[in-house]
Amino acid sequence: EPEVTQTPSHQVTQMGQEVILRCVPISNHLYFYWYRQILGQKVEFLVSFYNNEISEKSEIFDDQFSVERPDGSNFTLKIRSTKLEDSAMYFCASSGVAGGSNEQFFGPGTRLTVL
Amino acid sequence: SQQGEEDPQALSIQEGENATMNCSYKTSINNLQWYRQNSGRGLVHLILIRSNEREKHSGRLRVTLDTSKKSSSLLITASRAADTDSYFCATPTYNQGGKLIFGQGTELSVKP
Repeated sequence: EPEVTQTPSHQVTQMGQEVILRCVPISNHLYFYWYRQILGQKVEFLVSFYNNEISEKSEIFDDQFSVERPDGSNFTLKIRSTKLEDSAMYFCASSGVAGGSNEQFFGPGTRLTVL
Repeated sequence: SQQGEEDPQALSIQEGENATMNCSYKTSINNLQWYRQNSGRGLVHLILIRSNEREKHSGRLRVTLDTSKKSSSLLITASRAADTDSYFCATPTYNQGGKLIFGQGTELSVKP
């Protein structure tokens, strides 16, 4: 069964460093998402991406964040200068149709720890 | 505004019992989705119920949707220890992005 994969599973970084979180969505999907979950809190939407551009982004997704689909398979989330409060679990998701109409398939997540 | 608030926040039952989790939301939806989460596999999609459906089954799962009350419930029948996880409802927005808005979740513990 096709699945969304994410690497690395755990990333530890120093405050101020750049990190890139990687995702490989399901191959024929068109809509891509990043969500995050701070420990003990809700899963929060960060950004959606369709047709090689951002469809929507949340208030959390400020200038420190960027997304890219550098080739036909990868979907990345970059945090330019990490802060302590960026420590969270980051989930990538993809959907074959507009995500509001159908299920989104989530990856296992990357746990980001900023020291 | 908050969407998809679940209750109870935590539920502890014995194996074989049924578990019922509720979710309320505030705005109009075209569907509502239930997910479960564990530390090993992230978020796993369980079931999607559309706004024109009142009830849906999948194996031991039964989901109901009452759009007049803006609420949904997830029933797990004959629970097993392996059902122990956190369960979330999520509602998508209508716009192109279709982001999901998650509730706080219900932590289900099924004791053998």
